[in-house]
Amino acid sequence: NAGVMQNPRHLVRRRGQEARLRCSPMKGHSHVYWYRQLPEEGLKFMVYLQKENIIDESGMPKERFSAEFPKEGPSILRIQQVVRGDSAAYFCASSGDFLNTGELFFGEGSRLTVL
Amino acid sequence: DAKTTQPNSMESNEEEPVHLPCNHSTISGTDYIHWYRQLPSQGPEYVIHGLTSNVNNRMASLAIAEDRKSSTLILHRATLRDAAVYYCILRDRGSGGSNYKLTFGKGTLLTVNP
Repeated sequence: NAGVMQNPRHLVRRRGQEARLRCSPMKGHSHVYWYRQLPEEGLKFMVYLQKENIIDESGMPKERFSAEFPKEGPSILRIQQVVRGDSAAYFCASSGDFLNTGELFFGEGSRLTVL
Repeated sequence: DAKTTQPNSMESNEEEPVHLPCNHSTISGTDYIHWYRQLPSQGPEYVIHGLTSNVNNRMASLAIAEDRKSSTLILHRATLRDAAVYYCILRDRGSGGSNYKLTFGKGTLLTVNP
């Protein structure tokens, strides 16, 4: 059973470009979460999605950031007009019955570097 | 969110037990205690979680104080592959609010010496 798949693993962008990060959840999981980890920091919650719905985006910056989880295909975290402060590791997690199991399954992350 | 306090770093020797402490003096009655770990250059990995009673699984044991204001993650025999940052996290299990969110602090960096 494949785990959570994220791509690309590494992405380099120049300031002002767009970054698209993709996440395929574990088979059978319909809940996807995105977290961001800045250098030397802990992970910070960004957004929680279910298929075709954004449940909670309270951790997302108000501008330039958006997320989706379409009916078909992976979840996408999109960052428009990237700035140097967006350089971070972005982790996607998925879950089944998280409220009872307490277990999130994380991918290996996408590391964004903004030049 | 209720906060947790962990030592910044700890060291252990291979094949010895490791006790990783966590203080959570403001824990509420509806908070679960979760532990995750993050190996270098990887995403976090679930270790264990509990509410009131001590818990065991194949990876570790979780000892929860009677007043629930602290807990200890126990690795029974540390291996080199256990070197990671260990996060102690409280999650509100209540039906309202953000009971799906995990709030990661800086965790404890565990070094395992051969």
